[in-house]
Amino acid sequence: AQSVTQLGSHVSVSEGALVLLRCNYSSSVPPYLFWYVQYPNQGLQLLLKYTTGATLVKGINGFEAEFKKSETSFHLTKPSAHMSDAAEYFCAVTPRGTGRRALTFGSGTRLQVQP
Amino acid sequence: EAQVTQNPRYLITVTGKKLTVTCSQNMNHEYMSWYRQDPGLGLRQIYYSMNVEVTDKGDVPEGYKVSRKEKRNFPLILESPSPNQTSLYFCASRQGSANEQYFGPGTRLTVT
Repeated sequence: AQSVTQLGSHVSVSEGALVLLRCNYSSSVPPYLFWYVQYPNQGLQLLLKYTTGATLVKGINGFEAEFKKSETSFHLTKPSAHMSDAAEYFCAVTPRGTGRRALTFGSGTRLQVQP
Repeated sequence: EAQVTQNPRYLITVTGKKLTVTCSQNMNHEYMSWYRQDPGLGLRQIYYSMNVEVTDKGDVPEGYKVSRKEKRNFPLILESPSPNQTSLYFCASRQGSANEQYFGPGTRLTVT
């Protein structure tokens, strides 16, 4: 069974500082990997995804993530935080191949950006 | 505009009174899912559908029913709601496992 662990339920950074949100997965085969963002009172929106190819993927709003198979990680980064980045971020995985393709979410990390 | 719609957005009900939350997508997606979101637990899948008349249990299916009679619709049914089903519910759809999952705006359900 696959699982996702997000370290830190709350992360606080200053505006302009580096954002680093951690995600580790547990799966017998490297899965497809996703980061979603949820702004207050809204649904989830895809930030970026890794399926195959280059392990550093770029997403919307200046975010990027790197798939590291040896570390079973898919950490999300942004060089310079903006106030509008304040939201909750979810890492998610789904298995490759046929069969049930459930999307499993981590418990989320709430990002706070201080002025 | 490509979207997933849910109704109602907010619902307050009493224990035992049957309710249905509707979900519809206009993208001709094969896969549809229902999730519930609770603080500190992230999103947990309730039920999942791979196509018309094909549904499967997720991680927390107890107390819920679904049906998929048409490709675009995937209603969530609570036959006898209980207070522990108070939560924020999201419907979602996607075309394939490697593809983006589109989420509805959410339904906030309170069961008293």
